[in-house]
Amino acid sequence: DAGITQSPRHKVTETGTPVTLRCHQTENHRYMYWYRQDPGHGLRLIHYSYGVKDTDKGEVSDGYSVSRSKTEDFLLTLESATSSQTSVYFCAIGTGTYEQYFGPGTRLTVT
Amino acid sequence: AQTVTQSQPEMSVQEAETVTLSCTYDTSENNYYLFWYKQPPSRQMILVIRQEAYKQQNATENRFSVNFQKAAKSFSLKISDSQLGDTAMYFCAFGETSGSRLTFGEGTQLTVNP
Repeated sequence: DAGITQSPRHKVTETGTPVTLRCHQTENHRYMYWYRQDPGHGLRLIHYSYGVKDTDKGEVSDGYSVSRSKTEDFLLTLESATSSQTSVYFCAIGTGTYEQYFGPGTRLTVT
Repeated sequence: AQTVTQSQPEMSVQEAETVTLSCTYDTSENNYYLFWYKQPPSRQMILVIRQEAYKQQNATENRFSVNFQKAAKSFSLKISDSQLGDTAMYFCAFGETSGSRLTFGEGTQLTVNP
C-alpha cells in the first residue's frame, strides 16, 4: 500500500459544471500523475507534477488543469465537464526509481 | 513519442498451466524501464514486475518472469502455474527516465479457468 487516496471515489455531474478530483499521498514523493482509463485505450497521461507548483502536460491534457500547492496533494480540475470526460481517473506517485504506484481510482460520469 | 502495443486483447489459460502475454514497443531512447501492471476486477493497478533496459538479465518475481528482447523491442510476460487470482487485465508500460512518465498499452484481459 503506497499511501495514496483519491476523492471522491465516484461522482456524477452534469455537462458544463466544474469538477475537482483530489489525490493525496502520505509518503512525500516528488512525482505525481493523473491518468484517465477508457476502454480500448489503456491508461493515458493527463498531467503530471515534479514538485510543488511544477506541473506539465501529458498526452490528453485538453480540458483539464492541475494544481499542486503542497507536496501531498495533487488536484485535477475539469473547468467545464463534457460527456467525453466520462472516465475512470487514476492518480499515481513516482517513487524515484521509475515505477509508479496507483490510487484506487475515481469513476466520473458526466451526464 | 513512445508507443506500446499489446496485440492480444483477450487470453485464457487453465489453472496450473503457463501463459505468455506479448508486448512490443517503439522508442528511440536507449535508457528506459518496462513494467507489467495487473488490474483485477477491483480496478486497483498493481505493479507485477519491472525491467531495466540496461540489464540483459530477465526479471523474475515468483511465478512471473519476462522475456526482454531489446533489439526486437519486445517485452513478454510469462505466468507459470496460473492461479484463479491471476484473472485480470494486464498492462505493459514503457517508462521514460526523463520525468518518469509511463506510456501504457491497451491491455490484455487474462482469464484463468478452473
